[in-house]
Amino acid sequence: NAGVMQNPRHLVRRRGQEARLRCSPMKGHSHVYWYRQLPEEGLKFMVYLQKENIIDESGMPKERFSAEFPKEGPSILRIQQVVRGDSAAYFCASSMTGGSYEQYFGPGTRLTVT
Amino acid sequence: QKEVEQNSGPLSVPEGAIASLNCTYSDRGSQSFFWYRQYSGKSPELIMSIYSNGDKEDGRFTAQLNKASQYVSLLIRDSQPSDSATYLCAVTKEGAQKLVFGQGTRLTINP
Repeated sequence: NAGVMQNPRHLVRRRGQEARLRCSPMKGHSHVYWYRQLPEEGLKFMVYLQKENIIDESGMPKERFSAEFPKEGPSILRIQQVVRGDSAAYFCASSMTGGSYEQYFGPGTRLTVT
Repeated sequence: QKEVEQNSGPLSVPEGAIASLNCTYSDRGSQSFFWYRQYSGKSPELIMSIYSNGDKEDGRFTAQLNKASQYVSLLIRDSQPSDSATYLCAVTKEGAQKLVFGQGTRLTINP
């Protein structure tokens, strides 16, 4: 499967727990983006990363959210002390280069906070 | 004013007809333009990209860009029931990589 991979596909967390979402970019892609889609809302940019670097985190909430893309392994979006308002679909996309290049989306992780 | 605006629909089109989806954007510095299709409960799927003024055709899909009017559209010819989905318009600004999405237009193709 050469597409963008995300896991888990569904994640249930109780309030106050931590959520870790993983994303492996498409083969040959080195740029990763995270987006969030709240129920009945549009897709919103969160963060853009290259290997070992956060390039743009202008869409990340100031607290509890962090992202990384290590030299080896998938990109991880981490949400600490989750609250009900964090329930959403989290999508990862990847592109071959940066700039205004085509981004391809993974299947998403649906996070439910109970 | 929203950065990217689309009519939310629903837009209902008979099978075999042309579906026309429209999108306007507010930032004249916008550089690249994309149309994604999203089925309910699924992830966005890239169907068209366009970077310069004019038309770009790919199979039954045609994207049209008019930078002077800050307008981008998507035409779907010979619409099929399988085209029923939400269509998302997305834009990137010059020097930026993030996609800015419109709210999406829900399209229904009636057999």
